Amino acid sequence: DQQVKQNSPSLSVQEGRISILNCDYTNSMFDYFLWYKKYPAEGPTFLISISSIKDKNEDGRFTVFLNKSAKHLSLHIVPSQPGDSAVYFCAASDEGNKLVFGAGTILRVKS
Amino acid sequence: DAGVTQSPTHLIKTRGQQVTLRCSPISGHKSVSWYQQVLGQGPQFIFQYYEKEERGRGNFPDRFSARQFPNYSSELNVNALLLGDSALYLCASSPPTGNYGYTFGSGTRLTVV
Repeated sequence: DQQVKQNSPSLSVQEGRISILNCDYTNSMFDYFLWYKKYPAEGPTFLISISSIKDKNEDGRFTVFLNKSAKHLSLHIVPSQPGDSAVYFCAASDEGNKLVFGAGTILRVKS
Repeated sequence: DAGVTQSPTHLIKTRGQQVTLRCSPISGHKSVSWYQQVLGQGPQFIFQYYEKEERGRGNFPDRFSARQFPNYSSELNVNALLLGDSALYLCASSPPTGNYGYTFGSGTRLTVV
């Protein structure tokens, strides 16, 4: 039962362009959503989050959009940089005591 | 300021053996969570501890157990290891208040042969 889905295993983007990573969820009880970035041999690093009462949150080059009716969120990275190349995980929580992760999307930013 | 530290970084065990993984949270963080990440998948929740009490448990067999010590460090124990237990085991700590501010360690790579 995959409650959080990232349907694109990988994404390749040219440096300077926009990267859009997508995530769908099925559990309507989720009230908080997060994006993590992971480099090889490192743990996931928190990027940005959004509460279910909002539809957009912005932090520098990173913006997360939440569409509750569609149970969909997306992460926009503008402009994309080669250092952004990593695995990106979408995660959701409903009670604060656990995160449910998607399978991840590998982002490659080409210079 | 030290982040979440995990030991060992790598471990090779034989089927049927037992393993103990260790985690030290960020100073001031009282909550520790454990996650298992199998290759090609996202991290999957195993346990959360807060103030030495178990606050949540994921869908893992009883072979998996954990505890938290008075200094808030934690151990994850896995008994009767199976090949399928081979994974990256991640520990995350979070502050006593605030929303989901999980910080992850670099993980322990467990290989069962």
